[in-house]
Amino acid sequence: EIVLTQSPDFQSVTPKETVTITCRASQTIGSSLHWYQHKPNQSPKLLIKFASQSISGVPSRFSGSGSGADFTLTISGLEAEDAATYYCQQSYGLPLTFGGGTKVEIK
Amino acid sequence: QVQLQESGPGLVKPSQTLSLTCTVSGASLTNNEYYWSWVRQPPGKGLEWIGYIYYSGDSFNNPSLRSRLTISMDTSKNQFSLKLTSVTAADTAFYYCARYNQANGGNFDHWGQGPLVIVSS
Repeated sequence: EIVLTQSPDFQSVTPKETVTITCRASQTIGSSLHWYQHKPNQSPKLLIKFASQSISGVPSRFSGSGSGADFTLTISGLEAEDAATYYCQQSYGLPLTFGGGTKVEIK
Repeated sequence: QVQLQESGPGLVKPSQTLSLTCTVSGASLTNNEYYWSWVRQPPGKGLEWIGYIYYSGDSFNNPSLRSRLTISMDTSKNQFSLKLTSVTAADTAFYYCARYNQANGGNFDHWGQGPLVIVSS
């Protein structure tokens, strides 16, 4: 099983700041890494696919980078509506796995 | 517009079987680009992939649940279902059905609302 380790677990951020979340895989997974935003009482929302490819309708302040085993989600210019938990997910191998999540709080 | 909607009991007794159905609209279960999936989230914890089923009827389950889990589909109703046997309190979770888009890189691009299923006597 491919284990995804996210850091930090929690981040409290002021609006307009830049947020960086990392996801490290227990083995190399190429670019088979995707990011989700999950708000309370809602279903998860796909933000980034293939490590860095944007999704239609997702604000451009969300970007992803990385390949191999180390990946980053960046939120440039945090807005109040971005308060959520963010998860990475790998599709390189079965079982599909998610990172443990990073909760972003707005100060 | 693709929509997924879970249905089933919100309360299950320990040792019994948890059963949920996902009704899909706006997409066909017989489309070979997608796998139809279940993901759960215990309250206060992270997301866990349960398993998925392909249009051929082949299903792939998380090894952690394999012996207790059955995923099936009814293409005539455009529905797929989850059955988890011998449940315990550890199976209390929000259960999401989701479309897994293999052609788009292997991600979950549409999700249901994810009802909470509580295992308790």
